[in-house]
Amino acid sequence: GQQLNQSPQSMFIQEGEDVSMNCTSSSIFNTWLWYKQDPGEGPVLLIALYKAGELTSNGRLTAQFGITRKDSFLNISASIPSDVGIYFCAGQFPGGSQGNLIFGKGTKLSVKP
Amino acid sequence: GAVVSQHPSRVICKSGTSVKIECRSLDFQATTMFWYRQFPKQSLMLMATSNEGSKATYEQGVEKDKFLINHASLTLSTLTVTSAHPEDSSFYICSAQLYRDGNTEAFFGQGTRLTVV
Repeated sequence: GQQLNQSPQSMFIQEGEDVSMNCTSSSIFNTWLWYKQDPGEGPVLLIALYKAGELTSNGRLTAQFGITRKDSFLNISASIPSDVGIYFCAGQFPGGSQGNLIFGKGTKLSVKP
Repeated sequence: GAVVSQHPSRVICKSGTSVKIECRSLDFQATTMFWYRQFPKQSLMLMATSNEGSKATYEQGVEKDKFLINHASLTLSTLTVTSAHPEDSSFYICSAQLYRDGNTEAFFGQGTRLTVV
């Protein structure tokens, strides 16, 4: 079946540092979504990408839809303590049941104050 | 933005009883909603696709008679965990799809922490 590999699984960074995480797929996707989940809460959509090569920013967050359509990355600049949480990528592949998303395993971000 | 509300946020029930979880899209209509289960420190596991006006589609390994899904309107889907057992304790999350300009976005509810004692 379709698989998403998300890396790194976890990371500890100093406040103020930039963060980068990525997802790769075994197949072509036509949608990439990035979410953040705080403990005990549902995921919140951060950035949505729909075109290969698309680069989109949301405040300190920037995400790109890879040219090959098999990967995407999320960057967080100048991290702050409230960036702590789990970040998930999600993708939708062509021909998949409408709206069905595949999720990466998540990247747990911890920031040292 | 699109808002999805899930209720209750936490529930504790006794073994053998049933629990109903509601998922509502507050400011948009959703013909399709999805129910996920999340174990500690793990990703989201799709349980079933809830279709308005028709039967839900369950993922392999998910018991449809145990996890009853009803999507009676374009803004409400419910998940009922029947005859709950301690192993059903988990974090359950719903999502609703919003289609805009040919693109898909998924918005999640706040999640429901189910504890079966």
